[in-house]
Parts: sequence; structure tokens; C-alpha cells
Amino acid sequence: EAQVTQNPRYLITVTGKKLTVTCSQNMNHEYMSWYRQDPGLGLRQIYYSMNVEVTDKGDVPEGYKVSRKEKRNFPLILESPSPNQTSLYFCASSSASREQFFGPGTRLTVL
Amino acid sequence: GQSLEQPSEVTAVEGAIVQINCTYQTSGFYGLSWYQQHDGGAPTFLSYNALDGLEETGRFSSFLSRSDSYGYLLLQELQMKDSASYFCAVGPDSNYQLIWGAGTKLIIKP
Repeated sequence: EAQVTQNPRYLITVTGKKLTVTCSQNMNHEYMSWYRQDPGLGLRQIYYSMNVEVTDKGDVPEGYKVSRKEKRNFPLILESPSPNQTSLYFCASSSASREQFFGPGTRLTVL
Repeated sequence: GQSLEQPSEVTAVEGAIVQINCTYQTSGFYGLSWYQQHDGGAPTFLSYNALDGLEETGRFSSFLSRSDSYGYLLLQELQMKDSASYFCAVGPDSNYQLIWGAGTKLIIKP
């Protein structure tokens, strides 16, 4: 089944404790992206990657890192999480088409 | 700055037709996309317009007027399962970097 997977789905952590949210797609898509979704703000892009070893900042990259060492994986790293990074995170992938395929989301709470 | 405006909430009756509007102000325009998101779920792609006019996909249609920086999503024969949030998104220069609206919550009454 073609899909984008994210782990963990839910995470509660404390300020300053490094964490990684994994994202993997099995559709051989070149493009991958991370979004955060907050009430009343829609989705905001954090980082995106056009292909392996190619990443670029989106609209809200501060406090986040990403890497793209393999085509299928695009992990999101929070080196020192803060409470304002409490949010719902989505990973998405796409080929050259208009449609982005989203993972199920990761709900992160930073205390 | 770049922004998209859409109503925060729309209410309609089962079986009826509803239109969700989206106006955009962006540095460029590559295409307008529409996504549906049910509570607790992920966004799923509905429709896309790059050129002026109407695109129809089953009960859903989407319209674009580039000269007015305006588009809408039309949902016909509403069903209770259409209760969800609907987002418009514009790619200023590609379909990869999207600017998103805040979403419209569609409430459907029996």
C-alpha cells in the first residue's frame, strides 16, 4: 500500500530534550516536506527537500533540523524543544504531480 | 506578506450545495489546490486549478479566476461524511512550496 508513515504518533516531552520524528514514504517520491498545524493557522511549512541531500527552509524553520540521506526517509529533528513547538506535525511527499500525500501526523507536546 | 483568506466556518444542509471561497495574495501563482481534513486525520487532496475555469471531480468542483486572485470549492449533494475542514493552498512558484489558508470548517446538518 502506497503510504507515508510517521513515528511516533504521539509524544510528550520536556523542554530541551532532543527528539526526532521519523517520516518514511514508499512511493519513490523525490519531494518531501514537513508542516506544523496549529489551530486557526492552517499548515505552515517547516522544511522541504527536493531530493536526496537537497533540503531547504520553509516558512517556519527556526528550532528544527532535517536530513535527507535516503530518498524514502526525511526525519525532523528538534535539538532543544520548547513549549512553543507544541503542535501537530505532518510529513508529506510528492512526485512531479500536483498532489501531496500526507502522513497520519504526530502530536507533540513540550512541557 | 503572502496570505490566503477563506471563511472560518460554513454551515449547510445534507443534500444541498455549498461553496467555499478562497482569495489569495501571493508573490506569484503556480496553482491553487484544495485539501480535505477530517477531525484527527491528515489532509487529503481534492482538486487543483492552474488555469482559469472550472475543474470537476465527481461531486466536487473547483473554480479559479487568476485575474481576481480568487477561487472556490463547490460541493454538491452534500453528505454527512463531507463534514470536515477544507483548506485552499497556493504555490507561488511551484506545487512544492505551498502557502495555506487557515481552513474552513464545514458543518452539515441533517
